[in-house]
Parts: sequence; structure tokens; C-alpha cells
Amino acid sequence: AQKITQTQPGMFVQEKEAVTLDCTYDTSDPSYGLFWYKQPSSGEMIFLIYQGSYDQQNATEGRYSLNFQKARKSANLVISASQLGDSAMYFCAMREVANDYKLSFGAGTTVTVRA
Amino acid sequence: DTAVSQTPKYLVTQMGNDKSIKCEQNLGHDTMYWYKQDSKKFLKIMFSYNNKELIINETVPNRFSPKSPDKAHLNLHINSLELGDSAVYFCASSQARMAPSSYEQYFGPGTRLTVT
Repeated sequence: AQKITQTQPGMFVQEKEAVTLDCTYDTSDPSYGLFWYKQPSSGEMIFLIYQGSYDQQNATEGRYSLNFQKARKSANLVISASQLGDSAMYFCAMREVANDYKLSFGAGTTVTVRA
Repeated sequence: DTAVSQTPKYLVTQMGNDKSIKCEQNLGHDTMYWYKQDSKKFLKIMFSYNNKELIINETVPNRFSPKSPDKAHLNLHINSLELGDSAVYFCASSQARMAPSSYEQYFGPGTRLTVT
């Protein structure tokens, strides 16, 4: 069964607007971590933000914030004030203690920022 | 200073050949990984080493053999290459395997392998 689901294969957003990338996950492990990575067209994987299963507050890192809804098992990434350089593929990933700490990735969402 | 480096960046080879990809990290991390990203951009873990010890070995053909000479290096050797091996291979490292889950993985730039 797919552990991480990203239902939006591609999105367009206007420069300076906010965009929300959806991510739902499936786990019965009480201890897990959720990550978002960015992969620009150059190919490297860049870590953006992390949310732990026991964290009470939603994570924020600059223009990135994670909307963590534990009961719904969702961990959506919000990018505020989009910039042209935000155009990339974004991956949601989960690391579970019960899964031997392995990182499981979603299929990714391609974001294209329009000027 | 590059944190996680891989060589080569591109590798084009013919079916049946044997090739190696090298990875080095200068972050002092204990744990290193190999991932495969297929043509649909799906990323899947292949192997993980912790302090030179193999700890994760996913369902990968035994033509793939990782080797970790020390905790800063993790190499991937592939025998008898097949067309389906064409992909981008990423090396990654993290501070500790069983650390709090907040320890993110740092990825290398990837090696694009094309088998013809």
C-alpha cells in the first residue's frame, strides 16, 4: 500500500501568490517524521521542512510552512509569496520507526510559477 | 565544500557492462543510503549502511552490490547492466539512523545512468 500520496501531479501558480501542495500519509506507527524535499530541474534534492508526529505546532521555515493535520493524516506544504525559482518538483516523505527508519516518498508534485 | 558528492554525474554504457558509482560525504554522518529515481521520478530506497554495516537491503537484484569502505564512503557496483537499470541514482547521508526522526537526509547531486 502506498504510504505517501500526493494527488496533484502538476500545479501552476502566479508569482507572489501562495500555493498549497497536498500530502496524505498512511501509518499506524505513533512515532514518525514528515519531510518535504524540492527537486529543481537541475536534479538535486533539497530538504525544505520537517514535522514530527509529536510536534504540537506546525513547522515553518521561511516561506515554507507545513499544515499538519494528524487526525486526517495530512501534511500539506504551503509556499507563500511564490517566486520563479520555486518552480520544481516537490516530494513529501515519511520516516517511520516501525519501518526501520526508512524514508518513503510520494510521487511528487510539479509546481510551475508564472510571472 | 560539497556535503555529499557522487561520481560520475552521468554514465552512459551498454547492456551487459559492469559499472560503479562512488559517493562520499564530509558531514561526519553515520548513515548512508542509495536511492533509485525512475523515469517517472519515483524515489525508492535501495540500500542503507550504518557505520559500514548494511542495515537495509530492499528488494534489489543481486547484480547491485553496495560497498562501504568507511563511514564516509558508499559505493554502488552494478553487474551485467540491463536497460531497466537506466535511472538516476542518489546517494544520501544522515546523522544517525535511529536518531529522532527529525534528522533529515542530505542528498548527493545524483548520477544519471543510461544503459543502451
